[in-house]
Amino acid sequence: GESVGLHLPTLSVQEGDNSIINCAYSNSASDYFIWYKQESGKGPQFIIDIRSNMDKRQGQRVTVLLNKTVKHLSLQIAATQPGDSAVYFCAENIRGYQKVTFGTGTKLQVIP
Amino acid sequence: GAVVSQHPSWVICKSGTSVKIECRSLDFQATTMFWYRQFPKQSLMLMATSNEGSKATYEQGVEKDKFLINHASLTLSTLTVTSAHPEDSSFYICSASITGTGNYGYTFGSGTRLTVV
Repeated sequence: GESVGLHLPTLSVQEGDNSIINCAYSNSASDYFIWYKQESGKGPQFIIDIRSNMDKRQGQRVTVLLNKTVKHLSLQIAATQPGDSAVYFCAENIRGYQKVTFGTGTKLQVIP
Repeated sequence: GAVVSQHPSWVICKSGTSVKIECRSLDFQATTMFWYRQFPKQSLMLMATSNEGSKATYEQGVEKDKFLINHASLTLSTLTVTSAHPEDSSFYICSASITGTGNYGYTFGSGTRLTVV
């Protein structure tokens, strides 16, 4: 079902350090996962995705890890920059279904 | 590519009036669009799935007569909040589905901040 939370967990990271944002997804049938970045007052922006036949995928400064056994997803951001400050959502999808379900979200604060 | 434009970016309306929000796919055709609502410090909640040329599919608990969706063309979906009340104040976001090998990725609009006074 939909993930709703009254409080966003917050991760504070020093500029230049690596960030790891975690997500537990809900549906074992999900086979496609997406990470989105949402800045204040804006719509979500695609960062990276991964299919269930993979356990790791790398992009520019970002890496997504997938552990299907424990239904866990993580987003690693290398050399975190002030511009990375935002709320990050994981989302899951099942092949053939249009609906994408969003996780609770994590607020990343980068300390200069 | 795959740009979704949403308009207006913010709107203030009086209680009891109706507000229309537009969502356009600028460089691709979107047979399916999605409408979300997001309250402060919360995740995106799917309200409805908008299909071109047919009725929208609403999520449980979303009043279809209050949130009217029209998807008359392959590039435009509209959400009308009818008889708006202060509790309808929220951030409304649309997205369009991009089909890829059986899975769906989304591209999102920039959102509309609705304030009902």
